Amino acid sequence: IAGITQAPTSQILAAGRRMTLRCTQDMRHNAMYWYRQDLGLGLRLIHYSNTAGTTGKGEVPDGYSVSRANTDDFPLTLASAVPSQTSVYFCASKRDRNTDTQYFGPGTRLTVL
Amino acid sequence: GNSVTQMEGPVTLSEEAFLTINCTYTATGYPSLFWYVQYPGEGLQLLLKATKADDKGSNKGFEATYRKETTSFHLEKGSVQVSDSAVYFCALFSSNTGFQKLVFGTGTRLL
Repeated sequence: IAGITQAPTSQILAAGRRMTLRCTQDMRHNAMYWYRQDLGLGLRLIHYSNTAGTTGKGEVPDGYSVSRANTDDFPLTLASAVPSQTSVYFCASKRDRNTDTQYFGPGTRLTVL
Repeated sequence: GNSVTQMEGPVTLSEEAFLTINCTYTATGYPSLFWYVQYPGEGLQLLLKATKADDKGSNKGFEATYRKETTSFHLEKGSVQVSDSAVYFCALFSSNTGFQKLVFGTGTRLL
């Protein structure tokens, strides 16, 4: 049982480059989320998806886009990376929007230079 | 809006000491409350939760009681171990708004 996998584990990226962070879950959860974790700020929601085919903006969506073509995958794309997007990114999922318990992936550490 | 406030860290304790990490919340209605733990280099794991007033969540020797009168959900452990060193996040989930999401505190590092 893998749960949620994220790739890559870490990445160093030049500013202006495009980057896609991958997230896959095998729990058949309908709802999925992307967070960024920054020191002193806790976790902030970037984008979410309540079910395949739908997405929504969270607290800090600017500079990021997502897609949800199927239940299992929820990639996060940085179209043109900037240094302020240096962070640790976590993908999470739960059974559906009304369920309270979320499960998290191991994270991707991204450095934008 | 909904929010969670945690005590700032780091909290430094000797092995077998008593642990308390304070958490208070602001929310409309009756949210579910959570403690998540993040070990070094890993993602967040659910530690315990409580879904209504006076409920006590417990796991791995940790406990927290949902106190609606004081809007608190303090995390306690009677005897900490070196392996408990981690960052602890308090969170709430409220389903009474149009967008159901987890709201996190800023985290407290335990050394």
